Amino acid sequence: GENVEQHPSTLSVQEGDSAVIKCTYSDSASNYFPWYKQELGKRPQLIIDIRSNVGEKKDQRIAVTLNKTAKHFSLHITETQPEDSAVYFCAASPNTGGFKTIFGAGTRLFVKA
Amino acid sequence: SAVISQKPSRDICQRGTSLTIQCQVDSQVTMMFWYRQQPGQSLTLIATANQGSEATYESGFVIDKFPISRPNLTFSTLTVSNMSPEDSSIYLCSVEWTGVGYTFGSGTRLTVV
Repeated sequence: GENVEQHPSTLSVQEGDSAVIKCTYSDSASNYFPWYKQELGKRPQLIIDIRSNVGEKKDQRIAVTLNKTAKHFSLHITETQPEDSAVYFCAASPNTGGFKTIFGAGTRLFVKA
Repeated sequence: SAVISQKPSRDICQRGTSLTIQCQVDSQVTMMFWYRQQPGQSLTLIATANQGSEATYESGFVIDKFPISRPNLTFSTLTVSNMSPEDSSIYLCSVEWTGVGYTFGSGTRLTVV
């Protein structure tokens, strides 16, 4: 089955710096890669996703890159702000619409003001 | 995306008892998913609840411990049976829409004493 590894487990950056979180996956059948942000005491929320037919996707300060050959994908947050502090989870799935999604272990991001 | 109502939001239960968690979706969905998130950990899939058939359980989870009902396309319940302190965790239901990833319920924080 699918296995998703996520690094680092903890990341601390200064406000305004960039943050990068990396994930690898094992199942070549995976072709949908969402990222979730979970603030303390709240539910995970989708912040960006990418499909295997795209190499990069950007939404304001957040971008995700995918290297399907190497089976890794990354989340990039630029100009970090204190409100970006949260736990971020990567995930992989064969598709959307009812297929099982496997989550990475999570990265706890601290943005220091 | 869907709106999911999950209850109870939290409960403190005696060991040996059972708790049933309810999840109501505002739209019809084929599959609903139940996840467990232990403190500081990632999300682990317990089972996939299919309407009209038995739930599909992941390795390490069994129906006797986590019975699931799915009486219609908008509702599901997860029961945590014969609870022990090790069952203390957050339990989340979720649905997945094509193109928008998972939407999670608000979670049930369970403490077993």
